[in-house]
Amino acid sequence: EAQVTQNPRYLITVTGKKLTVTCSQNMNHEYMSWYRQDPGLGLRQIYYSMNVEVTDKGDVPEGYKVSRKEKRNFPLILESPSPNQTSLYFCASSHEGPYEQYFGPGTRLTVT
Amino acid sequence: KNQVEQSPQSLIILERKNCTLQCNYTVSPFSNLRWYKQDTGRGPVSLTIMTFSENTKSNGRYTATLDADTKQSSLHITASQLSDSASYICVVSLYAGNNRKLIWGLGTSLAVNP
Repeated sequence: EAQVTQNPRYLITVTGKKLTVTCSQNMNHEYMSWYRQDPGLGLRQIYYSMNVEVTDKGDVPEGYKVSRKEKRNFPLILESPSPNQTSLYFCASSHEGPYEQYFGPGTRLTVT
Repeated sequence: KNQVEQSPQSLIILERKNCTLQCNYTVSPFSNLRWYKQDTGRGPVSLTIMTFSENTKSNGRYTATLDADTKQSSLHITASQLSDSASYICVVSLYAGNNRKLIWGLGTSLAVNP
């Protein structure tokens, strides 16, 4: 089944404790992206990757890191999480560019 | 400024009724417009996509229209079902150099009641 998977689905952590949210897609897509979704602000892009080893900042990249060492995986790293990073995070992928994106199930992160 | 505005913010209708959601945009240069459906707590799923030259596109009970002159789009849902309860998000793509950039609306929250 073609899908985008994210892990974990739910995470509660404390300020400053490094964490990684994994994202994997099995559709051989070149483009992958991370979004956060907050009430009243909609979906905002954090980082995106056009292909392996090619990543670029989205609209709200501060406090986040990403890497794209393999085509299928695009982990999101929070080196020192803060409460303002409490949000619902989505990973997405598409064949080429930000066109028809397939979204993962989401990761709900709470930073206390 | 590139913006996408959706109305109404929320809507409640009865099952089997029709409804229309609106999307106005000030995005240039325009590439395409897409409507997504997002169930609560889940990722968005694409419903339709329209380019500049298309003015209507259907996907089952969902029909999207696009007026590129007035920069308006609508999503019409026919004979609504309880499963249509979701947020509907309008996304406009614009040309940005060699890439495309997406401008997301905040969505319309639709509740379909029995």
